[in-house]
Amino acid sequence: NAGVTQTPKFQVLKTGQSMTLQCAQDMNHNSMYWYRQDPGMGLRLIYYSASEGTTDKGEVPNGYNVSRLNKREFSLRLESAAPSQTSVYFCASSPRGWNEQFFGPGTRLTVL
Amino acid sequence: QQQVKQSPQSLIVQKGGISIINCAYENTAFDYFPWYQQFPGKGPALLIAIRPDVSEKKEGRFTISFNKSAKQFSLHIMDSQPGDSATYFCAASITNSGYALNFGKGTSLLVTP
Repeated sequence: NAGVTQTPKFQVLKTGQSMTLQCAQDMNHNSMYWYRQDPGMGLRLIYYSASEGTTDKGEVPNGYNVSRLNKREFSLRLESAAPSQTSVYFCASSPRGWNEQFFGPGTRLTVL
Repeated sequence: QQQVKQSPQSLIVQKGGISIINCAYENTAFDYFPWYQQFPGKGPALLIAIRPDVSEKKEGRFTISFNKSAKQFSLHIMDSQPGDSATYFCAASITNSGYALNFGKGTSLLVTP
């Protein structure tokens, strides 16, 4: 039982490049989330998926798109990366009807 | 806007002392208040959580105190240990509204030997 896994662990992009951050969970959870963590800012919600087939914007969705590929996988795409998107990105999941969220190890992204 | 305000930003406590971190919120619809612990290079992990129908919850050395009328809650770490050195985040969410967490900015705790 790996929990929540994220790939890649580290990534460096140039301004304007695109990439997809992958997240998968093997706990049969219904809800999945993407957060970004910046120094002194805590974690801010980018997008979430309350259940397979649905996605909703969070606090800071601009510049990002998401896909809930199936129950296990929730990907985050940067179409045209900007230096302001330099951050650590965390994926999380939670069971149906539960408030507790289980976090992955994070992806550290640098945009030059 | 930050929906959950957390203080202090950093805290240094001697081993055996009490660490206290405070949070305040405005949205009275919040009904779940967790504390997450994060070690360097790791994702946050749930430490303890409380709902507004109780004023205190204790799990081992960790206690949440909740004041509904003041819209404040705090984390107390008794007998603080060097292994407690980490960043602590308070958060709040609304059940049946996606369960998305609204986090405070975090407190970096250092427990000195």
